[in-house]
Amino acid sequence: GQQLNQSPQSMFIQEGEDVSMNCTSSSIFNTWLWYKQDPGEGPVLLIALYKAGELTSNGRLTAQFGITRKDSFLNISASIPSDVGIYFCAGQLSNTDKLIFGTGTRLQVFP
Amino acid sequence: EAGVTQFPSHSVIEKGQTVTLRCDPISGHDNLYWYRRVMGKEIKFLLHFVKESKQDESGMPNNRFLAERTGGTYSTLKVQPAELEDSGVYFCASSLAGTGLGGYTFGSGTRLTVV
Repeated sequence: GQQLNQSPQSMFIQEGEDVSMNCTSSSIFNTWLWYKQDPGEGPVLLIALYKAGELTSNGRLTAQFGITRKDSFLNISASIPSDVGIYFCAGQLSNTDKLIFGTGTRLQVFP
Repeated sequence: EAGVTQFPSHSVIEKGQTVTLRCDPISGHDNLYWYRRVMGKEIKFLLHFVKESKQDESGMPNNRFLAERTGGTYSTLKVQPAELEDSGVYFCASSLAGTGLGGYTFGSGTRLTVV
């Protein structure tokens, strides 16, 4: 079945640093999504990407949908303590509602 | 607007017992989804309801899992009998939109521990 390879698995950074994480797949996806999960909560949508090559920003977050539709990256600039959590990429195929998730990147931010 | 509500938030049961998880979607959302995250792994799709009908149940692990959505409102996911490998966090999500728009709203999840 489809798989998303997400890296890195975890990151430990200092407040103020920039962060980058990415996902790759052997499958072509119609839509790429980035979610964040806080402890004890469900995933919350950060950014949705619909077109190959699309670059989208949401505050300090920037994500791009790869030109081949098989990869995406998420950048967080000037990290702050509340950025702590697990970040998931997710891909959606063109003829289905279900999402294929990556394994997540656990982000820790130290003051 | 109330979000997606899941109950219980935590459940600890013994192997062989039965557990029923409940999800109340956002009012008016026809699409309801169940996902599961086993410790340290990816969040995996279980099934998708459109109103009371099962649109896609390709992710259901085996016949110990039974999902229902009578009347097209809330949904239940029953595990009977539970096994150790069923432990994980079960998420429910709902959406108005159909295929291609992504970005549905997730509940906080039910953490199931089978001992």
